[in-house]
Amino acid sequence: DAKTTQPTSMDCAEGRAANLPCNHSTISGNEYVYWYRQIHSQGPQYIIHGLKNNETNEMASLIITEDRKSSTLILPHATLRDTAVYYCIVRVVHNTDKLIFGTGTRLQVFP
Amino acid sequence: DSGVTQTPKHLITATGQRVTLRCSPRSGDLSVYWYQQSLDQGLQFLIQYYNGEERAKGNILERFSAQQFPDLHSELNLSSLELGDSALYFCASSGGRSNEQFFGPGTRLTVL
Repeated sequence: DAKTTQPTSMDCAEGRAANLPCNHSTISGNEYVYWYRQIHSQGPQYIIHGLKNNETNEMASLIITEDRKSSTLILPHATLRDTAVYYCIVRVVHNTDKLIFGTGTRLQVFP
Repeated sequence: DSGVTQTPKHLITATGQRVTLRCSPRSGDLSVYWYQQSLDQGLQFLIQYYNGEERAKGNILERFSAQQFPDLHSELNLSSLELGDSALYFCASSGGRSNEQFFGPGTRLTVL
């Protein structure tokens, strides 16, 4: 699986958009970009994933650059409950694929 | 609520002891994964089962073992416990088309 690079920490004001970057310059053509988050010591929570097109769901938007070497997770209106560690993971989608977590980005949303 | 349940929530035991952690996957999910999260190692994959069969192994110690039963619930057995085994243990399940994993709330193990 390709390696990812994320900033260690970020701050965001409540109500503003939080833009979390991820570099994955060695991504292969059949690898997807997944985002998970972990709030405090709870189990990680799936957010969104994509291959090459931008994706949006009720939680977030995922913007993947045309060369697929980087992506940005966007939380459009961050709330205090979005304070968490966000993990960007690159993986091939098949049944045997474990998740390889890096150190992630610790997002602090402040009032 | 992810639909994945884990018991117990907390476990405190002594060195040298053996414990069993239990996981019930989401209804219909055939894959179960176990992960360990300690302060110095982050989230690490231990082992995966698919429909009762071991599918993949990660950094799982020989003192640890797991199994998945016909009803698809899984158990992680940790024996000869050491202080360094203190950690959060998460179970996840998957089975959907895009294979996202859904995590349980975890079991916090404290070895004294």
